[in-house]
Parts: sequence; structure tokens; C-alpha cells
Amino acid sequence: SQKIEQNSEALNIQEGKTATLTCNYTNYSPAYLQWYRQDPGRGPVFLLLIRENEKEKRKERLKVTFDTTLKQSLFHITASQPADSATYLCASNSGNTPLVFGKGTRLSVIA
Amino acid sequence: DAGVTQSPTHLIKTRGQHVTLRCSPISGHKSVSWYQQVLGQGPQFIFQYYEKEERGRGNFPDRFSARQFPNYSSELNVNALLLGDSALYLCASSSGLATEQYFGPGTRLTVT
Repeated sequence: SQKIEQNSEALNIQEGKTATLTCNYTNYSPAYLQWYRQDPGRGPVFLLLIRENEKEKRKERLKVTFDTTLKQSLFHITASQPADSATYLCASNSGNTPLVFGKGTRLSVIA
Repeated sequence: DAGVTQSPTHLIKTRGQHVTLRCSPISGHKSVSWYQQVLGQGPQFIFQYYEKEERGRGNFPDRFSARQFPNYSSELNVNALLLGDSALYLCASSSGLATEQYFGPGTRLTVT
């Protein structure tokens, strides 16, 4: 079955810098990779979805890439702000398969 | 527009008891999924319903069951509660089976 690995448990970054979070999948190439933000005690909030045939997707200060050769997605936040501090979850699914989540990376943006 | 709503927000139960959690999806969404999230882990898939039919089931024991009603709201039932069932239970709705999901605030279940 599919496994999603987010190798960094925590990432600290200076305000204004670009944060880069990594997500690796272990088995088949999923049709979709999705990124969510989760604040403590709250439900995840959808951020971006990228399809297998897309290399890159952008939304405001966010950018996601999908590399099927490396079996990896990178999630970038440019000009990071303290308000971006949260846990970011990567998830994958294909067709009718359920969403499989990684453990998440806790991002702290320091002013 | 109202987002996904869940009730109750918090619940404390004793081992062996039964619990029912409720979820109302975003208006127009026909799919509801349930997830269990323990501290430090990502959400783990329990069930997905679409148009009132079960479309997927995760690796959870038969003590877990769910259903979806004609108005697309959903219930998650857990029987014979164990200490290990303590977690945040999340409901998510979506317009289709493989699209982005919109999560509710969750129900925090504590089993003592």
C-alpha cells in the first residue's frame, strides 16, 4: 500500500526566507498529491492539489512541484511570515483510493 | 457558506461504552470521509461514503461503523471503546471521490 513520508518532523526558518518542505511516496505514482495546513487542535485546511501530469502549481506565495522520477513533491512558501507557522501535511490518492497522509512537518517561522 | 460541522466538539467516555459522532458536509458535497488522528501523526482514513454508499474502508476493526443519510450528513459509531480509541476524529466532505477535501474542526474523544 502507498506510504507517504515527510522526513522533516520540524523546520525552523527566518521570517522572509523561503520554506521548503519535502514529501516522498514509496510505491506507485499517485494521480494526485495534496497539501494541507493544520493548526493545533483544528482540522486540516486544503491548500493545493497537483496532478501526476503537472510539474508545478502555484497559489499566491505557495508553490508545489511533483517529480515522478524522484517520487517526490516539494512545497515552498516564499517570503514566509510568522503566521505561516503550522503543521503541513502531504497526502496522496489515485482514482477512487482513499487519501493517505504523511505525519506532517511542523514549520516555525521566527521573526 | 457554512463549512463542515461536527458534533460534539469534545467527549469523554469510559472503556466499553459506545459513542456516536456526527458530521454535516458543505452544502452540495455528496462525499463524506472519516479520519482518526492521534497526536503526532497524520489523519488515518476510516471510511468514505458517496451518495449514501460506502466507497472505502480503512484498516479499522468492526467496532467502527458509519452511515450517510439522505441529506448527506453522516454518523460514525464506535462500540466497545478502548483506551487506544482516544484521538481527534475528523470528518471531511468533498464534491467527488478523488478531489480535495474540506475538514471539520474535529471531535476530541477521550476514553478513560
